[in-house]
Amino acid sequence: GNSVTQMEGPVTLSEEAFLTINCTYTATGYPSLFWYVQYPGEGLQLLLKATKADDKGSNKGFEATYRKETTSFHLEKGSVQVSDSAVYFCALSDSGGSNYKLTFGKGTLLTVNP
Amino acid sequence: DGGITQSPKYLFRKEGQNVTLSCEQNLNHDAMYWYRQDPGQGLRLIYYSQIVNDFQKGDIAEGYSVSREKKESFPLTVTSAQKNPTAFYLCASRPGKGETQYFGPGTRLLVL
Repeated sequence: GNSVTQMEGPVTLSEEAFLTINCTYTATGYPSLFWYVQYPGEGLQLLLKATKADDKGSNKGFEATYRKETTSFHLEKGSVQVSDSAVYFCALSDSGGSNYKLTFGKGTLLTVNP
Repeated sequence: DGGITQSPKYLFRKEGQNVTLSCEQNLNHDAMYWYRQDPGQGLRLIYYSQIVNDFQKGDIAEGYSVSREKKESFPLTVTSAQKNPTAFYLCASRPGKGETQYFGPGTRLLVL
């Protein structure tokens, strides 16, 4: 079956530091890949996505590249801010049965200190 | 504004009681989903529906039930058969021709 593995947290950084959150996946076929962000007590917000190999998703200074050869979709940001403190989820979409079910990683808690 | 609303924000359940969580969307999306989130865990799929009057079990459907009588509404009932219902419940919807799911703000269910 499908699975997503992302680096365990928590991750604590100082403001303006470089961020990488690793995500690797196992899937049959050619899934789409997503990063969602969850702020405390809220639902998930789509951060970025990529639908095919070598696609780069980007939003709000965050980037991730769909690497089929390494089955990875690592999230990066060059300079984090305190407001980036949240839980980040990597997910893949199973389009094989056209139900587009999402499989999530366990989430990575990021804390950015001023 | 278009979006997904979930109510209530907090819900308390007594032993042996069924409770229903509301999920409404005005995005005209075809598909709707219910997920459960536990601390330190990813989201797990409970039920999903791709069309009115049809729904399928997800990975952890036992102790839950749903209905889809209207396109915009997908309520989730947590029955007394669900022995560990304390969790954060998230509803999502997806347009018919897209892969991206959009999430509501969630309902936190607590057991008294």
